[in-house]
Amino acid sequence: DTGVSQNPRHKITKRGQNVTFRCDPISEHNRLYWYRQTLGQGPEFLTYFQNEAQLEKSRLLSDRFSAERPKGSFSTLEIQRTEQGDSAMYLCASSSTRIEQFFGPGTRLTVL
Amino acid sequence: QQPVQSPQAVILREGEDAVINCSSSKALYSVHWYRQKHGEAPVFLMILLKGGEQKGHDKISASFNEKKQQSSLYLTASQLSYSGTYFCGTERGYSGGGADGLTFGKGTHLIIQP
Repeated sequence: DTGVSQNPRHKITKRGQNVTFRCDPISEHNRLYWYRQTLGQGPEFLTYFQNEAQLEKSRLLSDRFSAERPKGSFSTLEIQRTEQGDSAMYLCASSSTRIEQFFGPGTRLTVL
Repeated sequence: QQPVQSPQAVILREGEDAVINCSSSKALYSVHWYRQKHGEAPVFLMILLKGGEQKGHDKISASFNEKKQQSSLYLTASQLSYSGTYFCGTERGYSGGGADGLTFGKGTHLIIQP
């Protein structure tokens, strides 16, 4: 299966710790998106890459969040000094056009 | 700004039809529809672009009223597999290239009973 993969699938951390998630998009996709989803809500846009360039970042995104996509392939999302409010499912999606975004299975973060 | 979806939930018998609505207070470039089953990732259903172009799956249809910034998703002769949460995602209208991330509504829960 050559779909979008995310690691780890689950992460439990203590408040104040740093965490990093990885997303491997579909190989030919140059667009990569990060979303956050909490229970009962739709995915909330965090940031967008086209190749290695980060073209858009949500104004709701705290400075504790940073994302990279070196060489335009995989991407990492880091959250520094985690807070309980950061607990959510973090979804990565990739696409080759503006038409369809292919979502990965997500990383579920629990901050204790 | 988050689009508003209605209804919040629908329960149908297999074979019945459903309409899910999505409206925005902002000018839209496109409306995307996704379905998410419990514990799974969202899956693309359809996109409606300003100007009338549509791309999606054969068994699902939708409309996009550009003047009212509203879209509706039509599910006909529903099947058990249609159960899930339906989200509309919107891209704001703007000039130039590039792509906004999608702003999703809170979702409509659809339950299909045999």
